[in-house]
Amino acid sequence: NAGVTQTPKFQVLKTGQSMTLQCAQDMNHEYMSWYRQDPGMGLRLIHYSVGAGITDQGEVPNGYNVSRSTTEDFPLRLLSAAPSQTSVYFCASSYRRGTSTDTQYFGPGTRLTVL
Amino acid sequence: AQKVTQAQTEISVVEKEDVTLDCVYETRDTTYYLFWYKQPPSGELVFLIRRNSFDEQNEISGRYSWNFQKSTSSFNFTITASQVVDSAVYFCALSEGRSSGSARQLTFGSGTQLTVLP
Repeated sequence: NAGVTQTPKFQVLKTGQSMTLQCAQDMNHEYMSWYRQDPGMGLRLIHYSVGAGITDQGEVPNGYNVSRSTTEDFPLRLLSAAPSQTSVYFCASSYRRGTSTDTQYFGPGTRLTVL
Repeated sequence: AQKVTQAQTEISVVEKEDVTLDCVYETRDTTYYLFWYKQPPSGELVFLIRRNSFDEQNEISGRYSWNFQKSTSSFNFTITASQVVDSAVYFCALSEGRSSGSARQLTFGSGTQLTVLP
């Protein structure tokens, strides 16, 4: 298994541009999520999905859209990039089992710079 | 609301020293999960351990050990005989124990940068 994969690894955008960060997992995990990591702030949840067709907002959703058309993929869209979105973005997935909270495994991250 | 505090921003030790990374959490839930992740200089997040709120037994894995104390809301991480390869940022995280999707949200501490000097 490749686990959780993310593309691209690095990206530079100009203010106002849009782009999509890709995330895929091959572990048949139901739960997927996007976090952003900023210096001194740990990781913060942007959006998450509990299954295909179901998404919800996390702590910092503004400026981002997500969709989940398949179990495997969970892309994150930046609608109009702003310098405040300069960050490292991590995708994570975990398997949904009844009432147990399962461990989230993270992708390698995408380092995004918005000029 | 949940909160995780890692008061130690940076720690520097000399190789072979023992080091403890502190983690204090806040939650109103009686069922919750605690995690530690390691982020080496390469940037990926590596899962180290998960603990549920009903299991207060300390755990040891090689040179790593974890001390979970509900009475003080702490989940501290000790590395024994540290090595240069242990140099990384370590994150403590918390999630609720309910089954809904939002319960799987991880609340992270701000991380502790550990530097092990040769």
